Formats: sequence, C-alpha cells, structure tokens
Amino acid sequence: AQTVTQSQPEMSVQEAETVTLSCTYDTSESDYYLFWYKQPPSRQMILVIRQEAYKQQNATENRFSVNFQKAAKSFSLKISDSQLGDAAMYFCAYRSATSGTYKYIFGTGTRLKVLA
Amino acid sequence: NAGVMQNPRHLVRRRGQEARLRCSPMKGHSHVYWYRQLPEEGLKFMVYLQKENIIDESGMPKERFSAEFPKEGPSILRIQQVVRGDSAAYFCASSLRDRALNTEAFFGQGTRLTVV
Repeated sequence: AQTVTQSQPEMSVQEAETVTLSCTYDTSESDYYLFWYKQPPSRQMILVIRQEAYKQQNATENRFSVNFQKAAKSFSLKISDSQLGDAAMYFCAYRSATSGTYKYIFGTGTRLKVLA
Repeated sequence: NAGVMQNPRHLVRRRGQEARLRCSPMKGHSHVYWYRQLPEEGLKFMVYLQKENIIDESGMPKERFSAEFPKEGPSILRIQQVVRGDSAAYFCASSLRDRALNTEAFFGQGTRLTVV
C-alpha cells in the first residue's frame, strides 16, 4: 500500500523569504502523480502544483516549485517570496496512474505560518 | 462551470440521528470520491463511486456508513445513528471519466459535521 509522510507538523517563514516543505512517499508503482494542496481556514482544498512521475523536469507554478526525486521518493515544495496569503495547511498527496481507483492518499499536513 | 458543490456546509446532529451529506460533481464529471478529515489530520479516503456503482469502498466504516451516486441527482453520503466520533469535515471530489484526462480531482468545500 502507498503511504505519504510529511514530517514537519509546522513551519514558519518570514514574509518575502523562501521556505521548503518536505514530503516523502512509498510506492512500488512507477506511474503516478504527486500533488501539493493548500487548505486555508475556509477549508477549501486548492491545488498548488502537480507532478507526473514520468516527467523528470520539476514542476513550477509562479512562486511555487517542487524538487522531485523519484529514486529517493521525495517531493518537496518550495515557496519563494512568501506572502501573508500563503499561510495555510499544506498537504502532499499521491495518486496512482495505473490502479483502477485513482484515489488520493494524503499526508498529515504541514501548517505554514508567514510572519510579517 | 460551477465547481463541486457540497451541502450543507455545516450540519449539527444529535447522537443517534442520521446525517445526509450531498455532493454535486462538476459538470461532465462522472466519478465521485468522498474523504473524511478529522481535526488536525489529513484527508482519508472513504469511497469511490461512478454513476450507479460503488467502485471502491475500502475506506468506509463497515457499519452505519453508506454512499450512493444515482443516475440522476447528487451523490449522498449517509451516516446512520451518528456518534461523537463521526464529527469531522467530509469532502467530496469529482473527476472526469476518461482515464487519459483523469489526472486531477476537484474538491468541494466540505461539510463540517458536528455531533452533539
């Protein structure tokens, strides 16, 4: 069974600085997707960034980028030029591309605080 | 194109009552997933449905919980004889039918169930 681990329950970053959130996962599959979701106090799950496992190039979305290390099964999120609006819970998620379910498996989350 | 709609946003039930949570997927989506989020935890998969079929219910508690996605109308997650431990946020997500495009699920805003 696949698992996703986020070892940082909470992180803090100064406004305008850079922060990296860690995520590791375990799977025997070779074809899958990885995601980072942001959950603000409104509870809405907002997709931040997505990575296809067959792509070697790290995904980027404006100030958000990932460091995807397939062999190490690591998928960290880097937030550059942090803004107050980035404060939220961040969840790493795994999704198979080959099984029939395509369900998401989430980590336990990292609470990000942005200090003014 | 409206997103995934869940209602109600908040639901209060007394112990022993029934809770019914509704989810209308995005237009054109025929796959629905239900997740449960306990306080300070990540989302845990409960059940995956297609129209009129339960595909994967490996995350559903064996008793009191049921889900359906009829040919017409929203998907319903039903919890009978609720207990305080059922208090949580319940999220619905939907995705497209076609596997090639089935890389992302879109989440609703969740229903927060409180059992008193």
